[in-house]
Amino acid sequence: AQKVTQAQTEISVVEKEDVTLDCVYETRDTTYYLFWYKQPPSGELVFLIRRNSFDEQNEISGRYSWNFQKSTSSFNFTITASQVVDSAVYFCALRASGGSYIPTFGRGTSLIVHP
Amino acid sequence: DAGITQSPRYKITETGRQVTLMCHQTWSHSYMFWYRQDLGHGLRLIYYSAAADITDKGEVPDGYVVSRSKTENFPLTLESATRSQTSVYFCASSESMGHYGYTFGSGTRLTVV
Repeated sequence: AQKVTQAQTEISVVEKEDVTLDCVYETRDTTYYLFWYKQPPSGELVFLIRRNSFDEQNEISGRYSWNFQKSTSSFNFTITASQVVDSAVYFCALRASGGSYIPTFGRGTSLIVHP
Repeated sequence: DAGITQSPRYKITETGRQVTLMCHQTWSHSYMFWYRQDLGHGLRLIYYSAAADITDKGEVPDGYVVSRSKTENFPLTLESATRSQTSVYFCASSESMGHYGYTFGSGTRLTVV
């Protein structure tokens, strides 16, 4: 079985603050894929990043960065110098390789960035 | 344009009625999924499909029926709508068993009155 936990239901910050969204996952598989999606107020789900279990390098894309740590089964997402446009619900997802192609999503973290 | 489209975007229906939500993708992705999104529950899988004529139940399949006669279409039918099925429904597709991620439609907001 696979599980994704996003313990932070809602985070509220003021613009320009840095914020980290936590994602902890569980799987028995050694090969798996992790994803982050953004759901802005308009409602669509936007793919942000994919990481496979063999690639533990952290990734940075502009103000976004992701910290993948297999030792703690975490794949955290940091937004540096947050902006109002970052306000959204963010979902972490896991797709393990054990014969299933089905992703499991966390319950999401609602990020509110105040001006 | 290529993509994954859902219709309708909004739907209001009465309890007991049958309603079908449409999902169409133009990439010829093998894998397609239906999720429902409810406050406090995140995204929950209803049904999924690995190819045309191959479908299987997800976490919350009761009250729903799917079919996939063509690769590009994956309609979701609520046989007899109930208020508990008021939700936002998302269709998604993927290639390569999801190695490269999942692409979602814009969603259908369904209200059952």
